[in-house]
Formats: sequence, structure tokens, C-alpha cells
Amino acid sequence: EADIYQTPRYLVIGTGKKITLECSQTMGHDKMYWYQQDPGMELHLIHYSYGVNSTEKGDLSSESTVSRIRTEHFPLTLESARPSHTSQYLCASSPENTEAFFGQGTRLTVV
Amino acid sequence: RKEVEQDPGPFNVPEGATVAFNCTYSNSASQSFFWYRQDCRKEPKLLMSVYSSGNEDGRFTAQLNRASQYISLLIRDSKLSDSATYLCVVNFGNSGYALNFGKGTSLLVTP
Repeated sequence: EADIYQTPRYLVIGTGKKITLECSQTMGHDKMYWYQQDPGMELHLIHYSYGVNSTEKGDLSSESTVSRIRTEHFPLTLESARPSHTSQYLCASSPENTEAFFGQGTRLTVV
Repeated sequence: RKEVEQDPGPFNVPEGATVAFNCTYSNSASQSFFWYRQDCRKEPKLLMSVYSSGNEDGRFTAQLNRASQYISLLIRDSKLSDSATYLCVVNFGNSGYALNFGKGTSLLVTP
């Protein structure tokens, strides 16, 4: 099993609230990713990082932000949640040029 | 044009059948290739890496054709538990985020 953890697993929150989705890995991987996936739909990359203090936006425009202050930690923040942010958010990490390992995901519902 | 394209699904097959999935990629400099499996409402998990010489893992065989920029996954003697979405993943090997996911092909194995 991969050592990558996401919390919370499920979150229901009201519109306008600030939320942070946590992602941590203990494998020492430099590359980390956030994907967004709606039910039955494809994965969309929203953020990635090559290492500490490196963050980039992915294919899909997102109102979320990320930070990478430590190698093992890659949190994603939404300053003001909206119903359109309802989705599953998947975090992943990988060593150089090999497969990615995924966390179990956070299923976010904004009401 | 999407950089990693997969067969449109869904594939509905009876138990015991052999089924093949195809995937094409656009970047000829791609370095590594993977098949992932994603169960409903779960995170993607690595099924197998795909090597230039082709590789087999039990009932699963993956092949790579670099000249045609094409990879395949063959599942023999399908089981009910093989029902899932199969994702083709290609590492383009450039300095950007390396993993490119296809949309996935849905497989349903029926009794």
C-alpha cells in the first residue's frame, strides 16, 4: 500500500466557507499532484509541484490554491467554497518518471 | 486533440471472455507507460507498467508499439471482479508534469 494520506475523506460544508484539504506522503517523493474528478468522469489535473516551494497550475482552471512548504505535505485551499466546487479531489505523488501513487481522495460537497 | 486517447467504452463482456483495450498517445518522446485501474468511487491504482518488450501478469498482458504510439491491455478469462475503469497513463518525460491520463475505458463483466 502507498503511504499517501488525505483528510478529510468526506466533507460537507456551507457556501462561502474556507476549506483546506490535506495531503501527506511519507515516501519522500518530490512530485505531487492534485486532481479533480466528478463521478463517472475523467481525472483533471488542477495543481502540481516538483518539490518544495514549487507549485504550478494544471490543465483545468481551478479557484483553489496550493502550497508546498515541506516535501511531505501538499495542502489545497478553497478560500470561499461554492456548490460548483462539489467534486472528488485526489492527491497523488510520484518519484521521478515513474508511476503515481494516489491517496483515497476527499469527497467534497458544498451546500 | 487529447494527448492520450483511449477506446470509447463501455465494454460489456460475459465472464470468461477476452477483452482488449487500446490507447494512443501524441508525444513521440514519451518515456514510460502504465495501465491503472479505478473502481467506482475509489482512487486509481496501478495495474501494470508497460515495457517495450511487452509484459504479462497473470491474465493481463500489456504491449507497447512505439512506432505507432500505441499501447494495449489484454484481459483473458474475464472475472466479475475485473469490472472497473481502466486508465491509460503516459509519461511524456519532459520537465513539466509528467503523467498524462486518458479518459478511461469502462469494463463491465457480466455473469
